[in-house]
Amino acid sequence: EADIYQTPRYLVIGTGKKITLECSQTMGHDKMYWYQQDPGMELHLIHYSYGVNSTEKGDLSSESTVSRIRTEHFPLTLESARPSHTSQYLCASSEWTSGPGDTQYFGPGTRLTVL
Amino acid sequence: AQSVAQPEDQVNVAEGNPLTVKCTYSVSGNPYLFWYVQYPNRGLQFLLKYITGDNLVKGSYGFEAEFNKSQTSFHLKKPSALVSDSALYFCAVRDDGNTGKLIFGQGTTLQVKP
Repeated sequence: EADIYQTPRYLVIGTGKKITLECSQTMGHDKMYWYQQDPGMELHLIHYSYGVNSTEKGDLSSESTVSRIRTEHFPLTLESARPSHTSQYLCASSEWTSGPGDTQYFGPGTRLTVL
Repeated sequence: AQSVAQPEDQVNVAEGNPLTVKCTYSVSGNPYLFWYVQYPNRGLQFLLKYITGDNLVKGSYGFEAEFNKSQTSFHLKKPSALVSDSALYFCAVRDDGNTGKLIFGQGTTLQVKP
């Protein structure tokens, strides 16, 4: 198992609440990613970061935001949650290399339900 | 654009039999291919990857994958399936841009029956 952690594992909240999904890794990886996955479906990239103070949007449009103030920490925030945000959110990290061979390691995921 | 396809939503095999989970890819340059496994309520676990070199790649838990450039395929295999191999399997290809992101297939559920 990779040393990448996500909290909470499960979250049920009401519409309009602000939430932050935590992701931390202890591997010293520069690159970090957030993917969104509907149950049993493929993953879609929503945010990524090359390192501290670097954040970019992914392919799938998302109303969430991210920050990268420390190498090991890459939290995702929803200012006002809606039922359409109900999904599983997976965080991943990989070591920066100049070639294509770096492997992404995934956290256990946060399953979010917005009522 | 890079893409992968997993043509089977579900694969059923008997314990002890060989298993194959299929993946085909479409890339504009060199293919960098990955297999991950996802158990219920868990994140993805890395199994193996093909970057270059030998077409037969060996990975974790006895899995291997065969890269076939002419057929643009990267099928996952195991000689003898275990009930504990039952899970959701994802094939992925690295995007050819600078993000390093992975583009995933839709996943294949493997069911191994005793």
